[in-house]
Amino acid sequence: DGGITQSPKYLFRKEGQNVTLSCEQNLNHDAMYWYRQDPGQGLRLIYYSQIVNDFQKGDIAEGYSVSREKKESFPLTVTSAQKNPTAFYLCASTRGAGWADTQYFGPGTRLTVL
Amino acid sequence: DQQVKQNSPSLSVQEGRISILNCDYTNSMFDYFLWYKKYPAEGPTFLISISSIKDKNEDGRFTVFLNKSAKHLSLHIVPSQPGDSAVYFCAASAGNNDMRFGAGTRLTVKP
Repeated sequence: DGGITQSPKYLFRKEGQNVTLSCEQNLNHDAMYWYRQDPGQGLRLIYYSQIVNDFQKGDIAEGYSVSREKKESFPLTVTSAQKNPTAFYLCASTRGAGWADTQYFGPGTRLTVL
Repeated sequence: DQQVKQNSPSLSVQEGRISILNCDYTNSMFDYFLWYKKYPAEGPTFLISISSIKDKNEDGRFTVFLNKSAKHLSLHIVPSQPGDSAVYFCAASAGNNDMRFGAGTRLTVKP
C-alpha cells in the first residue's frame, strides 16, 4: 500500500530539547511538505521541498529545520529555538512540484512539550 | 494573516439532509480551491476541487460552488450520511504560490 507514514504518533519533549519527527513516503512523489496545526487555525506551512537536496522555508520556519537527502524522506527537527512547539504536525507530499497538485497527508504527530 | 476563513467551527445535520460548509477568502489571486476531509487520528484526504474558471464542480454527493465576486465557496453534501462526520478543510492556492488552509469545520451527521 502506497502512502505516507509519520512517526511517532505522540511525542513528548522537555523544554530545551531538540526532537525529530519522521516522515516517509513510498508514493514516488517529488515534493514534500510540513505543516503545523493549532486549535482554531488552519494548517500553516513550515517547510517544503520540491526536489531532493533542496527545501524552502514556509510561513513559520523559525525554530525548525529539515533535510531532504532522499526522495522518500523529509524529517523535521523541532529545535529548542521554537518558542511554542506544542502542536499537531502534518507531513504531506504531491506527485509534482505544483501547489495545485493534490496533497497526500500522513496521519500526523502530536508533539507536547512538558 | 488568515487568507482563507471558515467561520463556522462546527455544524450538526440530520442524516439525509443537506450539509453546507462555507469558506471565505481574501486573496483575489487564488485560482484553485480544494476541500479536504479529516477523520480523527488520520491525515486530511482530498475530497473535491474547483478551478476559478468554473463556478460548480460535482462529484457524487459532493458539490463545490465558487462565487468569485463574493470570494466565497461552499461544499454541499447531499444526502448527508453519518460517515461524513469529520473535519472539513477548505484550501486555496494562487498560481505557483503555496496553498492556504482554513481552520476547518467539524461536521456531525446525526442518525
